[in-house]
Parts: sequence; structure tokens; C-alpha cells
Amino acid sequence: NAGVMQNPRHLVRRRGQEARLRCSPMKGHSHVYWYRQLPEEGLKFMVYLQKENIIDESGMPKERFSAEFPKEGPSILRIQQVVRGDSAAYFCASSSNFATNEKLFFGSGTQLSVL
Amino acid sequence: TQLLEQSPQFLSIQEGENLTVYCNSSSVFSSLQWYRQEPGEGPVLLVTVVTGGEVKKLKRLTFQFGDARKDSSLHITAAQPGDTGLYLCAGGVTGTASKLTFGTGTRLQVTL
Repeated sequence: NAGVMQNPRHLVRRRGQEARLRCSPMKGHSHVYWYRQLPEEGLKFMVYLQKENIIDESGMPKERFSAEFPKEGPSILRIQQVVRGDSAAYFCASSSNFATNEKLFFGSGTQLSVL
Repeated sequence: TQLLEQSPQFLSIQEGENLTVYCNSSSVFSSLQWYRQEPGEGPVLLVTVVTGGEVKKLKRLTFQFGDARKDSSLHITAAQPGDTGLYLCAGGVTGTASKLTFGTGTRLQVTL
């Protein structure tokens, strides 16, 4: 039973380019969460999605960032016109339910480096 | 804004020693989770505590949730090199799904 799959593991972009990060949740999970981890900082919540719906995007920067979780295929976190400050590890997690203490399964993350 | 502060930030000890990591907040959480994260990997859940005063044990690890549900501690007995990693606490609030507030982390290194 495969876990949460994220790709790519490492992504290098130049300033101004677009970054697309993909996340396939665990089989049977329909809830996806994106977190960002800046160097030497804890994880920060970005967005919570269910299939075809954004439930909570209170942690998403207002500009350049967007997320989707289509009916078919992985969840995508898209960062347009990247800047150096976007360099971070981006983690996706999934759960089978939305209860507060529901167990989250995290992927191995995508390390984004902006040159 | 809810904040979770962990102490110490860094801890280097020798195999066999005991240690305690603290997670403190001025906010009340409905649940508190502890994760361990290895370099280059995502966090892995160790335990969830939901009741004030609750104590859970996982082999050599003992987790406690404060009576007021604002703080938690992780105690490791007879640490082993395999315990090395980043330990993160994360608080959840009812009604916010799994939008967790993560602590600042404690980086533990256990040497032979």
C-alpha cells in the first residue's frame, strides 16, 4: 500500500519561472494538506483540499500560489514567478477523514531551490 | 495566532541518557501530536494525545498532555542513536480539520 507520493523530490527554478509540485495521496484518502517548511523553521500550514474543492486556504500567500485537487490525478501546488524566498521544503499530507486528531500521513517532500 | 514553542532547540546526548523535550503554548489545543522527522523525509506521527493530563507510552518514549491542554512533554528513557532526529509537536483545534500548528522543533542527536 503505497504512501503519500510527492514529485519531484528536488526542483530547481530560476527567479520568475513557475514551479509545479505534485502530490498523490494514500490510496483511499480524499483529504490533502500542503505544508511548507522553511530552513530552521517548523512546518506551516498552507492549504487543505478535498477532491475538486479548496476547504481552507488561510495559509496560502495571497499572490502567485495556487492549489488544486482534481477529480482525477494528483494534487498540484503551483507557484508562479518564483522568488528566492520561496525556497523551502514543501510537504503534502493526506488523511481519510477530516477529524481534528485524524492521523496525517506525510510525503517525503519536494525541496524547491530558487536560483 | 497560535504558537507552539519547543525547548530545547538542540540536544546532544550520549547513548543511555534520559531526556525531556517540552512543547508550550499560551493557547488551548483539542489535541496534541508528536512527530519525528528524519533529514530529507516527511514527519512521521508518533502519538496523539487528546485529554488533559493524558499520558501515553511508546516503548521508551513517554508523552504527556498538560492538564490545561496548553503544553506537552516527551520523555525518552535510555536514548539510542536510532532516536536521533527532529522532534515536532503539533496542536490541533476542533473545527479546523487537520490544520495543525507545528512547534519550532527539537533537534536531537544521540551519540555512542
